[in-house]
Amino acid sequence: TQLLEQSPQFLSIQEGENLTVYCNSSSVFSSLQWYRQEPGEGPVLLVTVVTGGEVKKLKRLTFQFGDARKDSSLHITAAQPGDTGLYLCAGALGGNKLVFGAGTILRVKS
Amino acid sequence: NAGVTQTPKFQVLKTGQSMTLQCAQDMNHNSMYWYRQDPGMGLRLIYYSASEGTTDKGEVPNGYNVSRLNKREFSLRLESAAPSQTSVYFCALRGKSSTEAFFGQGTRLTVV
Repeated sequence: TQLLEQSPQFLSIQEGENLTVYCNSSSVFSSLQWYRQEPGEGPVLLVTVVTGGEVKKLKRLTFQFGDARKDSSLHITAAQPGDTGLYLCAGALGGNKLVFGAGTILRVKS
Repeated sequence: NAGVTQTPKFQVLKTGQSMTLQCAQDMNHNSMYWYRQDPGMGLRLIYYSASEGTTDKGEVPNGYNVSRLNKREFSLRLESAAPSQTSVYFCALRGKSSTEAFFGQGTRLTVV
């Protein structure tokens, strides 16, 4: 089992719909990050959240860090086909250890 | 990402063969990581190095060894490859905690 549990594993929606991806753990993280990965490429950072309860917005994407710093969510408003990809959450532990969740494959159909 | 160079990009090995995956950086970051990525499993941490001369086990270290001889380079060695090690391997690096992790292009390894 992975330290970070992501859900859902796969999401297929129509253009214009909203969606939320969850990242949960029983561990406390000093920070939590969300990455997006395209086929054949390495993950690319979307956002880092550091403070419990923090909310960050990036255009149509809203990221939230749980009060206890154990979980996070990514909400996309009015999804577009360009949002299609693999979304990964990653948590920073002591000693600069960085662990990832299993990822959520998002497909947005036009 | 031009700052992280992985070699080779593709490799096919026979069961029992050994090989070393190389990772080099020009970003002067302290921490370097090796991950493997399998379908439905996301990225699993194999080993990481918080600074030059130190290495630590990650989530799935069995069957691998690493070497961090200097700040620029972090290599991953498979002493006796097994089909279960067929995967895409990513090297990553990072500055201080909470900063962005930068990834290489990956090495696609097949063990037959």
